[in-house]
Amino acid sequence: KQEVTQIPAALSVPEGENLVLNCSFTDSAIYNLQWFRQDPGKGLTSLLLIQSSQREQTSGRLNASLDKSSGRSTLYIAASQPGDSATYLCAFLQGGSEKLVFGKGTKLTVNP
Amino acid sequence: EAQVTQNPRYLITVTGKKLTVTCSQNMNHEYMSWYRQDPGLGLRQIYYSMNVEVTDKGDVPEGYKVSRKEKRNFPLILESPSPNQTSLYFCASRYSGRSNEQFFGPGTRLTVL
Repeated sequence: KQEVTQIPAALSVPEGENLVLNCSFTDSAIYNLQWFRQDPGKGLTSLLLIQSSQREQTSGRLNASLDKSSGRSTLYIAASQPGDSATYLCAFLQGGSEKLVFGKGTKLTVNP
Repeated sequence: EAQVTQNPRYLITVTGKKLTVTCSQNMNHEYMSWYRQDPGLGLRQIYYSMNVEVTDKGDVPEGYKVSRKEKRNFPLILESPSPNQTSLYFCASRYSGRSNEQFFGPGTRLTVL
């Protein structure tokens, strides 16, 4: 059974710091990886999608990488801002499956 | 604006009273699905639909029904809600290819007393 672990569960940083959120998975037979952010009381906003054949994707201050051989993905946030405060979720689409398998998220707080 | 909408956003009901949560998308997506989110358990898939009239169970389908009569709509039906169905529910959609990005609705917070 595919398991997804996100470490740390919570992270607090001062504004301006660069930071890395980690996501690990147990089964390398993934189809793609998607990073989301979730604001309190709100839905999930898609940030980046990486196909299994890709190594990374970038959008603005965000960069997501994927290493299937080691079972890891990272989300790098450059020059963090208070508006980046949210819970960040990673999710994998398993090969042969039609469901996303989610991690439990990392709650990020960026302090002014 | 491309979006997935859900209604209602908040609902408090009592055990056994049938309810429907609607989900609609305006992106002409073939694939739609329902997830529930619970503290400590994360998001789990309830049902999904590959296209009109094609639905299948996810990980936690017990106590739920779905239908897909139109491409844009995918309602979630709780015939006899119970307190253990108190949760935050999300609808999602994407184009049929697995390489495509999934888009989520704003969520429906359901409380069953």
